[in-house]
Amino acid sequence: EAAVTQSPRNKVTVTGGNVTLSCRQTNSHNYMYWYRQDTGHGLRLIHYSYGAGNLQIGDVPDGYKATRTTQEDFFLLLELASPSQTSLYFCASSWGGGNTLYFGAGTRLSVL
Amino acid sequence: GDSVTQTEGQVTVSESKSLIINCTYSTTSIAYPNLFWYVRYPGEGLQLLLKVITAGQKGSSRGFEATYNKETTSFHLQKASVQESDSAVYYCALGDRGSGGSNYKLTFGKGTLLTVTP
Repeated sequence: EAAVTQSPRNKVTVTGGNVTLSCRQTNSHNYMYWYRQDTGHGLRLIHYSYGAGNLQIGDVPDGYKATRTTQEDFFLLLELASPSQTSLYFCASSWGGGNTLYFGAGTRLSVL
Repeated sequence: GDSVTQTEGQVTVSESKSLIINCTYSTTSIAYPNLFWYVRYPGEGLQLLLKVITAGQKGSSRGFEATYNKETTSFHLQKASVQESDSAVYYCALGDRGSGGSNYKLTFGKGTLLTVTP
């Protein structure tokens, strides 16, 4: 069965803090994604990647960096966290091409 | 651009009653849409509920059904008799299975919280 694991599950930081969210998939999928989920907005795409070393900008990239170190690992970096980045973050993987996404359990981030 | 509009906010249904969550989509770039319903149970990630890639076809899973209607650009989710265990957030999503510019991602609706009461 497809597996996407996110860590940490919960994170609290202060304004201006440095945060890294981690995601690992064991599906051998090419595509990996970072979404944020906010009430009233649904899921919005932050960044995505179609392979190790590749990075593409999503729909709401401001304030976020990402890095895909291997086929399995995709990281989301908030170098100067702001309260507006308080959200529920989901990582997902897929074969791409508008296909089924497999999601992790989410990371709830609070920026105080 | 692409967008998905679904029943907003929260829907409360009594156990054993029927359910419909509306979903309509709009796209200016996708010639061959894939349509999805995802569900998120409390404390978990989203998981695929059902998927339909051909207009006119119906998808079904766990008692839920949705028909891909290209004429009305709709993909409503229905269930004849809900259970308490169906309480969750439901998301409609649109994907591009062609080689168009947006085929790398899914576009999601805002989600509908279903609460089933005993």
